[in-house]
Amino acid sequence: DTAVSQTPKYLVTQMGNDKSIKCEQNLGHDTMYWYKQDSKKFLKIMFSYNNKELIINETVPNRFSPKSPDKAHLNLHINSLELGDSAVYFCASSQRPLMEQYFGPGTRLTVT
Amino acid sequence: AQSVTQLGSHVSVSEGALVLLRCNYSSSVPPYLFWYVQYPNQGLQLLLKYTSAATLVKGINGFEAEFKKSETSFHLTKPSAHMSDAAEYFCAVSPPPPNYGGSQGNLIFGKGTKLSVKP
Repeated sequence: DTAVSQTPKYLVTQMGNDKSIKCEQNLGHDTMYWYKQDSKKFLKIMFSYNNKELIINETVPNRFSPKSPDKAHLNLHINSLELGDSAVYFCASSQRPLMEQYFGPGTRLTVT
Repeated sequence: AQSVTQLGSHVSVSEGALVLLRCNYSSSVPPYLFWYVQYPNQGLQLLLKYTSAATLVKGINGFEAEFKKSETSFHLTKPSAHMSDAAEYFCAVSPPPPNYGGSQGNLIFGKGTKLSVKP
């Protein structure tokens, strides 16, 4: 069983569209994260939820909205997609904040 | 605030040679430190972690790292490189729990070092 799963793996869409990426973890962890990895492999935290509550909200455009329906899921919704949103988005989870994180396989988003 | 610097964006070694990937950190409190590996088109996988116990930490795939407070370093080593070690390696730092909250309480990643292994 995959510990942290993301869907879809690839997402190609046009500017202005709205899209969602789903993330699920079956590790029983309390904390989940979204990261953005750019073309230079730089990883930047976007959001973090602990027990379904937002604890980290970095400087991210408000077009990005995370939603945590329960502790095992953290979805990312993106409105009005822009070219600069093209990147690989990783979901991760940890038992508690600041503990080692387990990453999903990533979603490669391409905005044309 | 924590920060981490990985020296060398690209390291190339021959198969069988020593692997040394450098990581220096800055932290106002004794940190937790991590090394992650990312193979092409995959997510990050934890290699090893330092959480204030033994300063020499052994990880998976024959890697180890030593926490040196005096040098604020946490370099990753492997005695003999394999072709399968070719990947991107990330060092990360965080303050230990329960001091979380806000960007200063999150895992901070270095910019990564790409390891190439020549036959």
